[in-house]
Amino acid sequence: DSGVTQTPKHLITATGQRVTLRCSPRSGDLSVYWYQQSLDQGLQFLIQYYNGEERAKGNILERFSAQQFPDLHSELNLSSLELGDSALYFCASGLRETEAFFGQGTRLTVV
Amino acid sequence: GENVEQHPSTLSVQEGDSAVIKCTYSDSASNYFPWYKQELGKRPQLIIDIRSNVGEKKDQRIAVTLNKTAKHFSLHITETQPEDSAVYFCAASKGGSARQLTFGSGTQLTVLP
Repeated sequence: DSGVTQTPKHLITATGQRVTLRCSPRSGDLSVYWYQQSLDQGLQFLIQYYNGEERAKGNILERFSAQQFPDLHSELNLSSLELGDSALYFCASGLRETEAFFGQGTRLTVV
Repeated sequence: GENVEQHPSTLSVQEGDSAVIKCTYSDSASNYFPWYKQELGKRPQLIIDIRSNVGEKKDQRIAVTLNKTAKHFSLHITETQPEDSAVYFCAASKGGSARQLTFGSGTQLTVLP
């Protein structure tokens, strides 16, 4: 167990809907990273927060947004969902930015 | 941006043999190279990493080597065991940090008993 907690573990929703994925980092970790894993795209970096501030942005769609709250948990919001958004969404955390420890992921299925 | 290529995509070895997985990267500014192991349906797990101020790092049966001139790095697993069977991912990033890791496409390692 990496200590990174993601909820929910599974999510099934319809196209056009909006969902929120939640991540609680390891105790004391200031960095939170979001990754998407799909069969065709592999593991792709979406966005990173460090102590509440956005630090880096990757291949994140405009329909997606994230934030990190004062208690350091983070949420990834996915809206206007499409079939192609079906994937595993991982959150990772690290004390600073020197390492990334992954959570168990949220499997999103869009039907 | 950074591009990381990983080979082979699948690798089968006999238990007790060694396994080697290779990655090349494109951005010479990259200087942090972690390796992750992902078992089916589970999270990627950091197993070893290397920064560009060293050429090799070992942790028991696992070692990683880095050639900055050639822009490639490799994972070596010795005395493989069935529990080593998993998908292994290499990754690269800049600034010595885990910020914005670019992952390879993965290697499915199967250790045959």
